[in-house]
Parts: sequence; C-alpha cells; structure tokens
Amino acid sequence: KAGVTQTPRYLIKTRGQQVTLSCSPISGHRSVSWYQQTPGQGLQFLFEYFSETQRNKGNFPGRFSGRQFSNSRSEMNVSTLELGDSALYLCASSFRVSGANVLTFGAGSRLTVL
Amino acid sequence: GQQVMQIPQYQHVQEGEDFTTYCNSSTTLSNIQWYKQRPGGHPVFLIQLVKSGEVKKQKRLTFQFGEAKKNSSLHITATQTTDVGTYFCCYDGGSQGNLIFGKGTKLSVKP
Repeated sequence: KAGVTQTPRYLIKTRGQQVTLSCSPISGHRSVSWYQQTPGQGLQFLFEYFSETQRNKGNFPGRFSGRQFSNSRSEMNVSTLELGDSALYLCASSFRVSGANVLTFGAGSRLTVL
Repeated sequence: GQQVMQIPQYQHVQEGEDFTTYCNSSTTLSNIQWYKQRPGGHPVFLIQLVKSGEVKKQKRLTFQFGEAKKNSSLHITATQTTDVGTYFCCYDGGSQGNLIFGKGTKLSVKP
C-alpha cells in the first residue's frame, strides 16, 4: 500500500498570501488528520476529517480551514499568512488500535512565510 | 486536552550508552503511544501501550506504562547512531483524530 502523500513538500510564501496543501491518505483510509509542527509549540492538532465531514477541530484561528473530497483526499488552506504560520504541516491517516487512533504521517509540507 | 510532559528535552549520549526518556501526566491515561522522528523526517509510530504496568520490547527498545497509567518510559539499550531523532509520547484523549503530543526528547548519539 502506498503511504500518505503530501504536496507540495516545500513552499515559500509572503505575508498576506494564502496557501493550499494537499494530502492523499493511505488507500482505503477515510480519516485524515492535520497537524502543525513548530520548534516552539511542537505538534498541534489542526483538524480531522472523516468521509468528507470535519469531526474535530483544534484551537487555531479561522484562517486555517480544510476539506475532504469523496476520494478521501484532503486539502488544508491558510489565508492571510503570518510569519508565525511558518511550520511543517503534517497530514496523517489514522486507524484504530485497541480503541485508540494510531497515526501514519506523510512527509509533510514545509511552509516558510517571509 | 491534558498535557503530557516529557523529560529530558535533550539527551546527548556516547554510542553504546543507554538512553531513557520519560513521559508524565497528571491524570490517568487510557493509552500511550510513542513516535520517532528522524532529523528532517516525519513522526513514525513505534508502539502503543494500554494496560497498567505493561512492558513491551522492540529489539533494543523497551517501553513501559506505569501501574497508575500516568507515566511511561522508553529505554534504549546500547544506543546506535541510527537511534538519533526526537522521541514523542502522546495519547488519544478520545476526540476524533486528536492525539495530544508531548514536546519530545531529542536524542543525539556521538559515534
């Protein structure tokens, strides 16, 4: 099975721009989670989608949004970029093990905001 | 969700030495997971523990879940340069897709 695929891997934007990141989960997986990773804050949950529905959302401003398509591919969008949005954005497929979600992460999209 | 605290934040060891990282919570956890992230890479799932006092081994790695299910540890015996990376503990708090991660322990190994 192919793993989790994220595109683009690297991108540079300037303040005020917007960005869209894409994620294709493991084939057959319907749950996709997004995380932001920064040196200061660590790994922080953004949102989770299942069958095109957002089931959970982390504590991020409304500039961060996402969606999931019928083929389970997901996109996240960040509008009006700020310097602090520079981070590694990780997408993950999740599967249940002993009643808990276990994550398989993609390689990430590294966003630099100038 | 409740935070999990990891100590130490950084650990530098000589190759062949042992290494231990600890994960502590103030509340009882239903599960604990460990992930490893190599430099420049992404987190990779290592293991999940769910039972009180559970101990699991993967080659040179030993994982423990405390009796009270409030702490966990990862011990690496005779570290190798391939062990370099950041080790994260986390738990599934029950909200869909939302795992609560510790800040990680960054391990460096000097050959």
